[in-house]
Amino acid sequence: DQQVKQNSPSLSVQEGRISILNCDYTNSMFDYFLWYKKYPAEGPTFLISISSIKDKNEDGRFTVFLNKSAKHLSLHIVPSQPGDSAVYFCAASGLSGNTPLVFGKGTRLSVIA
Amino acid sequence: DAGVIQSPRHEVTEMGQEVTLRCKPISGHNSLFWYRQTMMRGLELLIYFNNNVPIDDSGMPEDRFSAKMPNASFSTLKIQPSEPRDSAVYFCASSLLGGGPYNEQFFGPGTRLTVL
Repeated sequence: DQQVKQNSPSLSVQEGRISILNCDYTNSMFDYFLWYKKYPAEGPTFLISISSIKDKNEDGRFTVFLNKSAKHLSLHIVPSQPGDSAVYFCAASGLSGNTPLVFGKGTRLSVIA
Repeated sequence: DAGVIQSPRHEVTEMGQEVTLRCKPISGHNSLFWYRQTMMRGLELLIYFNNNVPIDDSGMPEDRFSAKMPNASFSTLKIQPSEPRDSAVYFCASSLLGGGPYNEQFFGPGTRLTVL
């Protein structure tokens, strides 16, 4: 039973446009949500996170939105760049530092020049 | 900082052989995680340690899998005997328990295991 779901395995976006990656979760005990980015032959790297007490967190071109009532979060990348092409994993966690992350299956983003 | 170090980066072995994957976490980190990535299941947590103690191994698929953390700077994941369905990329990650609100984990580059 997947607690964190990324229903789109892949997404293609033109350079300069907005990329929107979606994530749904089922466990209402999750308090923190993270996005990781993974390039081929490398490990995932942390990108951006959000606490459940917020509904938006922005870092440069990256913004994460959280809708707790819908148990849904999304990652917006604008403008998208070819270097953003990677696999993006959504992850969720319970109590800070006490529970491991639960990852979605990932969405492969391709930004086309 | 060297980051999380994993070895080997690639391993090709034959069915039935023992496989040992190694991980050196970031110095000072006290939580260590082993994940397996496959196309079908994405990133699955296999086991994690806090302060060298295994906390949850419910993700270990079978008794053929075992993990140890003899000290704060070294962990192994062993598969004995290996089977073709164990072929995957295995990641090790570390974090600082209670080090912040976001439980950020730092991943190694992974070991790509192929069992023939």
